[in-house]
Amino acid sequence: GENVEQHPSTLSVQEGDSAVIKCTYSDSASNYFPWYKQELGKRPQLIIDIRSNVGEKKDQRIAVTLNKTAKHFSLHITETQPEDSAVYFCAARVAGGTSYGKLTFGQGTILTVHP
Amino acid sequence: DADVTQTPRNRITKTGKRIMLECSQTKGHDRMYWYRQDPGLGLRLIYYSFDVKDINKGEISDGYSVSRQAQAKFSLSLESAIPNQTALYFCATSEGARTEAFFGQGTRLTVV
Repeated sequence: GENVEQHPSTLSVQEGDSAVIKCTYSDSASNYFPWYKQELGKRPQLIIDIRSNVGEKKDQRIAVTLNKTAKHFSLHITETQPEDSAVYFCAARVAGGTSYGKLTFGQGTILTVHP
Repeated sequence: DADVTQTPRNRITKTGKRIMLECSQTKGHDRMYWYRQDPGLGLRLIYYSFDVKDINKGEISDGYSVSRQAQAKFSLSLESAIPNQTALYFCATSEGARTEAFFGQGTRLTVV
């Protein structure tokens, strides 16, 4: 089945710096890659996603890049703010086979933005 | 607003007890999932269901069972709870294979 590895497990930055979180996936049949943000005590919520026919997607200060050949994708946050502090999860969804439609998550990254 | 609702939100139970976690949704989605969250391990899939007659095991289904009572309801049961099932449990829903998953508020379960 699909395996998603996420790094780093913790990331500490100063306000205004950029933050990058990286994920690799194992199943070349995966075609949908969302990123979720989970604030303390809250449920995970989608912040951005990318489909396999696109190499990059941006939404204000966040962007995601996808390299299908290398089977990795990354989340980039620019001009970080204290409210960006949270746990971030990457995920991959398989398009076919016995794992069709399953969403597999990475282990999570605890991002701390210091004022 | 359409939402995914989990009950209870917190539960403490004793080893060996049977417990059921419930999830209901008003989003009209066909797919429902149960995940378990442990620190450093991310969100791991326990069971998932693509419609009322379709139930599938996830990566950590041992010790758990589920029931899809209706399109809007998906329950997770621990037949005989053990301490290492102490975790935060999330229900999620989605429509189709390439769309966003929406999570419930979570149920914090403690087995003592």
